[in-house]
Amino acid sequence: DIQLTQSPSSLSASVGDRVTITCRASQSISTYLNWYQQKPGKAPKFLIYAASSLQSGVPSRFSGSGSGTDFTLTISSLQPEDFATYYCQEFYRTPPVTFGQGTIVEIK
Amino acid sequence: QVLLVQSGAEVKKPGASVKVSCKASGYIFSNFGVTWVRQAPGQGLEWMGWISAYNGNTNYAQKVQDRVTMTTDTSTSTAYMDLTNLKYDDTATYYCARMTSSDDAFDIWGQGTMVTVSS
Repeated sequence: DIQLTQSPSSLSASVGDRVTITCRASQSISTYLNWYQQKPGKAPKFLIYAASSLQSGVPSRFSGSGSGTDFTLTISSLQPEDFATYYCQEFYRTPPVTFGQGTIVEIK
Repeated sequence: QVLLVQSGAEVKKPGASVKVSCKASGYIFSNFGVTWVRQAPGQGLEWMGWISAYNGNTNYAQKVQDRVTMTTDTSTSTAYMDLTNLKYDDTATYYCARMTSSDDAFDIWGQGTMVTVSS
């Protein structure tokens, strides 16, 4: 099975900061990589698909990039509502489907 | 508005079974797959399996494949996840989610159902 490793596990940032989260796959997954946002006590929200395509309704400050084994999620200017946990997910040769362990974005 | 509404919280004893429902609205139910993902308290997301609402075909995660059954009722646009022989580490919030039309992401999520396994 493919393993996804996110880094960092958590970070502290201020409103307006540029934030980058990395997701590394244990083998090449082309661009079969999605990103989700989860706030405490809530269901995950779908943000980005196919590594870099923004889901409808997601603010343009969110962006994704990468292919093969290395991927990034970037928030260009962190907003108060962006404090949450972010998960990457691979969809290469599924099943099974794997999620990264999550990155918590906290307020500095 | 596309919505998935799940059944309420459950408390079960070890060895019992639980059946969680997920009622869809706002789209043609049989045109999209449904997946189930669980999250133990304070932990990450774990994929459990999925079902085609079109033909009922399923794929289950190896960890739960001997204990889980996923079904759909197209007459009521409802998906079900049945987990048997519950163990303490099945305590989690269980989410249903709609699969995208290309079957490569989960775009709409239910609100979650907390299942607690306790003696």
